[in-house]
Amino acid sequence: DAGVTQSPTHLIKTRGQQVTLRCSPKSGHDTVSWYQQALGQGPQFIFQYYEEEERQRGNFPDRFSGHQFPNYSSELNVNALLLGDSALYLCASSLESRSAYEQYFGPGTRLTVT
Amino acid sequence: QKEVEQNSGPLSVPEGAIASLNCTYSDRVSQSFFWYRQYSGKSPELIMSIYSNGDKEDGRFTAQLNKASQYVSLLIRDSQPSDSATYLCAVNSFYNQGGKLIFGQGTELSVKP
Repeated sequence: DAGVTQSPTHLIKTRGQQVTLRCSPKSGHDTVSWYQQALGQGPQFIFQYYEEEERQRGNFPDRFSGHQFPNYSSELNVNALLLGDSALYLCASSLESRSAYEQYFGPGTRLTVT
Repeated sequence: QKEVEQNSGPLSVPEGAIASLNCTYSDRVSQSFFWYRQYSGKSPELIMSIYSNGDKEDGRFTAQLNKASQYVSLLIRDSQPSDSATYLCAVNSFYNQGGKLIFGQGTELSVKP
């Protein structure tokens, strides 16, 4: 049973650059959520994708955008990177038909902005 | 007031003892409650989910939910050094569709041999 996968594992970018992070959901799952986790904090919800549309969004600026593909995989794009964007970016997948919304996380992408 | 609050810790317990982790939430219409375990440098791992008032047991873990008091807890019996990690409480209010999880800041647990 394939779990959630994310790429790349680590990334170092310069302030002002753009970055794309990728996620493949757990086998059988159709919903992907993205979270940002700063050191010592709980994950913060960025947005969620279902049926290739952004369904819900947290308090993140428009510099953060995403996409979901027909195979349910997803991308997170961040433009005009700031030093404060340095964090662990987590992708979580779930199954829409399960109203409990249990979400399973991938290993994360560690983004460092210098 | 934070939406989800946890004891800041760190919580230190001896091996074999019961570890008790607590969480309170502010949104009364919250429906689903989760506990995640996160080892240092790793991603969160779902260990318990609970939806109804009362207790739910899974092995050495027991989750307790009291919606009237807006309180959820996690008990770990016979604590082992391998249980040393940060435990995250997460709450979902999917009444507005979607599955946004709101997390507490986490409680660091240290189990001493």
